[in-house]
Amino acid sequence: EAQVTQNPRYLITVTGKKLTVTCSQNMNHEYMSWYRQDPGLGLRQIYYSMNVEVTDKGDVPEGYKVSRKEKRNFPLILESPSPNQTSLYFCASSLRRGLSPLHFGNGTRLTVT
Amino acid sequence: AQTVTQSQPEMSVQEAETVTLSCTYDTSESDYYLFWYKQPPSRQMILVIRQEAYKQQNATENRFSVNFQKAAKSFSLKISDSQLGDAAMYFCAYRSGVNAGGTSYGKLTFGQGTILTVHP
Repeated sequence: EAQVTQNPRYLITVTGKKLTVTCSQNMNHEYMSWYRQDPGLGLRQIYYSMNVEVTDKGDVPEGYKVSRKEKRNFPLILESPSPNQTSLYFCASSLRRGLSPLHFGNGTRLTVT
Repeated sequence: AQTVTQSQPEMSVQEAETVTLSCTYDTSESDYYLFWYKQPPSRQMILVIRQEAYKQQNATENRFSVNFQKAAKSFSLKISDSQLGDAAMYFCAYRSGVNAGGTSYGKLTFGQGTILTVHP
């Protein structure tokens, strides 16, 4: 089954404790991206990757890191999480064609205390 | 930068009735793509419908159709014969069709979302 697999689904952590949210897709998509969803703000892009070893900042990259060592994987790293990073996070992927829709993972609800 | 605005934070509709969700966007580009996504309480993001800007004909998918007004930069979603399962948050999204040095291609810019309630 074609899918984007994102883990964990829920995560509660404390300020400053490094964490990684994993994302993997099995559709051979070149493009992958991370979004955060906050009430009243919709989804905002954090980072994206056009292909292996090619990553760039989105609209809200501060406090996040990513890597794209393999085409299928695109982990999101929070080196020192803070409470303002409490949010719902989505990983997504697509082909590099205009009408190709983004395929989303099931989301990670992150709480930083 | 492109912006997408959904001016209706919440909408409600009676089962079997029709409802229209509004979306406007701001862009200077002529080539772009527009999407509507549905997010039910399960929080899964589900593609509802998509439209290419250079196509005059409005896209339709079963009970879902759009009213695409390019000059007005408007992309509203009409849901006919509403069902209880249509209750969700709906997001409008814009994707540039211009590969601006590879820096913006692929990115979807989302609106704030509209919560749709369906009453039995």
